Amino acid sequence: EVQLVESGGGLVQPGGSLRLSCVGSGFNFYSYSMNWVRQAPGKGLEWVSFINSGSSAIYQADSVKGRFTISRDNAKNSMFLQMNSLRVEDTAVYYCARDLSYYMDVWGKGTTVAVSS
Amino acid sequence: DIQMTQSPSSVSASVGDRVTITCRASQGISSWLAWYQQKPGKAPKLLIYAASILQSGVPSRFSGSGSGTDFSLSISSLQPEDFAIYYCQQAMSFPLTFGGGTKVEIK
Repeated sequence: EVQLVESGGGLVQPGGSLRLSCVGSGFNFYSYSMNWVRQAPGKGLEWVSFINSGSSAIYQADSVKGRFTISRDNAKNSMFLQMNSLRVEDTAVYYCARDLSYYMDVWGKGTTVAVSS
Repeated sequence: DIQMTQSPSSVSASVGDRVTITCRASQGISSWLAWYQQKPGKAPKLLIYAASILQSGVPSRFSGSGSGTDFSLSISSLQPEDFAIYYCQQAMSFPLTFGGGTKVEIK
């Protein structure tokens, strides 16, 4: 079964850091580009970041540029999102999603990030 | 950035009704458009990509059309499990952007 599982969410104070992880199984993780997408409480979907299979192409939303860093370790079937200088407005469910030509065909269940003092 | 605008923001319909949702891009995106369905507390699910290609396993009552700036998602005969929020997403260029969503509610 093709599956993505996120972890690493939690409650953090403004200005703090978190590192999210996404582990893929049931498919050749190393062959696929990947995305992070987030959804603030009661709001719509917001694309956050993209990384291609070899980590040679990375794109980010302006809202996270300079604060978040996407990376991956194909040997461990894993993708990461290092989130620094967190703001209240970063509070959201963060999903990892497998890329299908810049569409997203497989999604994890999400991990919740809450930024609050 | 390419802005995606969905309408209506919500629609009330009955089981068996035909429902159509529209999505407009702020600039031409050819057929680089996807539709997703999201149920409460769940992750989004890809329904249609490349404007009209049905994702594997998605019922044939779902269909997509359009190109350029105007797109639509139709559900030919609404089923109880179709009540959800639907999002469009452009895949033409980064940043990838989503529409604001359309909630399909029970009448």
